[in-house]
Amino acid sequence: KQEVTQIPAALSVPEGENLVLNCSFTDSAIYNLQWFRQDPGKGLTSLLLIQSSQREQTSGRLNASLDKSSGRSTLYIAASQPGDSATYLCAGITTSGTYKYIFGTGTRLKVLA
Amino acid sequence: ETGVTQSPTHLIKTRGQQVTLRCSSQSGHNTVSWYQQALGQGPQFIFQYYREEENGRGNFPPRFSGLQFPNYSSELNVNALELDDSALYLCASSHRDKPYEQYFGPGTRLTVT
Repeated sequence: KQEVTQIPAALSVPEGENLVLNCSFTDSAIYNLQWFRQDPGKGLTSLLLIQSSQREQTSGRLNASLDKSSGRSTLYIAASQPGDSATYLCAGITTSGTYKYIFGTGTRLKVLA
Repeated sequence: ETGVTQSPTHLIKTRGQQVTLRCSSQSGHNTVSWYQQALGQGPQFIFQYYREEENGRGNFPPRFSGLQFPNYSSELNVNALELDDSALYLCASSHRDKPYEQYFGPGTRLTVT
């Protein structure tokens, strides 16, 4: 059974810091790995999608990497800003019978001004 | 903007009642998945519909059911509502050519009292 774990569960940092959010999954047979942002009471905003054949993706200050062999993904946020405060979710896309997302429980990030 | 819409945005129901949530996706997106996100948790896969038939189901009881229509809209129905059904319900659609890339709607917040 695929399980996704995110560490840390919560993080509070001063503005300007570079930070790393971690995601691990138990089954290396994931197809894609995707990172989402969720603001309180809102839906999901897709940040980065790492497809099966890729090892990393970059968008602005965000960089996500994927290592299937170790079952890990990291999201790197450079020069954090108060507007980055949100919950960050990673999700592995499994193909056991049907394509579906297995989500972690998220990392709640607070960037202090 | 994912092109996936959901209605209503918020809904309050009483325990024991029935509820229908709606999702509309883009043309060509013939696969739709529904997820339940309880407070403080990551979304959990409920089920998936492909070409108007259920194509996979998570660990949810039969009182959770769905429909998918030819016009790329779909419904999630929940009977005999329980307090624990209070959650954010997300639908996600994918194109026939890329079933592994799902686009999420903004969600419906259901409160059961």
